[in-house]
Amino acid sequence: GAVVSQHPSWVICKSGTSVKIECRSLDFQATTMFWYRQFPKQSLMLMATSNEGSKATYEQGVEKDKFLINHASLTLSTLTVTSAHPEDSSFYICSAPGNPGYTFGSGTRLTVV
Amino acid sequence: KNEVEQSPQNLTAQEGEFITINCSYSVGISALHWLQQHPGGGIVSLFMLSSGKKKHGRLIATINIQEKHSSLHITASHPRDSAVYICAVRSGNNDMRFGAGTRLTVKP
Repeated sequence: GAVVSQHPSWVICKSGTSVKIECRSLDFQATTMFWYRQFPKQSLMLMATSNEGSKATYEQGVEKDKFLINHASLTLSTLTVTSAHPEDSSFYICSAPGNPGYTFGSGTRLTVV
Repeated sequence: KNEVEQSPQNLTAQEGEFITINCSYSVGISALHWLQQHPGGGIVSLFMLSSGKKKHGRLIATINIQEKHSSLHITASHPRDSAVYICAVRSGNNDMRFGAGTRLTVKP
């Protein structure tokens, strides 16, 4: 079935640095990729929707200059957390619409120290 | 009020018990999803429903569009079913809204 490969699985970075998270659709073309964030013991929150060939759509309250999303091709979408702060520490996960359901990446646990 | 409400929040069961998790939503949807999130965070899509009932192994999902309600049932529960089960609804523009999740623990 459809697979979305997400890397890295976990990352620890220093405050002020940037971290890039990649999601690749391995055996299908993902024209759309949803990016979610999940804080401990909370549900997933949609951050933004990326579309191949156009600008991402951000949810209210999500800073587009801080969370840079690029949908470079039909199989690759990236989320870059710029100038990371400890409060950005969270679980980030991507998802692409498939047929029939949605396929999720395995998630990235980001810890900013 | 959340657009997607799940109950219960936490559920502990003995192995072999029949389990029901409920989901109510307040928005118009094109589909409802049941997801399973394991302790490591990985998410697996269990079902996508727009009407009726679906069954996969020991899992059964039902939806009542008129009542805006869905249930996920697990028959003959097993400790490996322990996970967080999340209800999510998809609107016409394809984005998803999630319930808070139900944390299920099945004890041997």
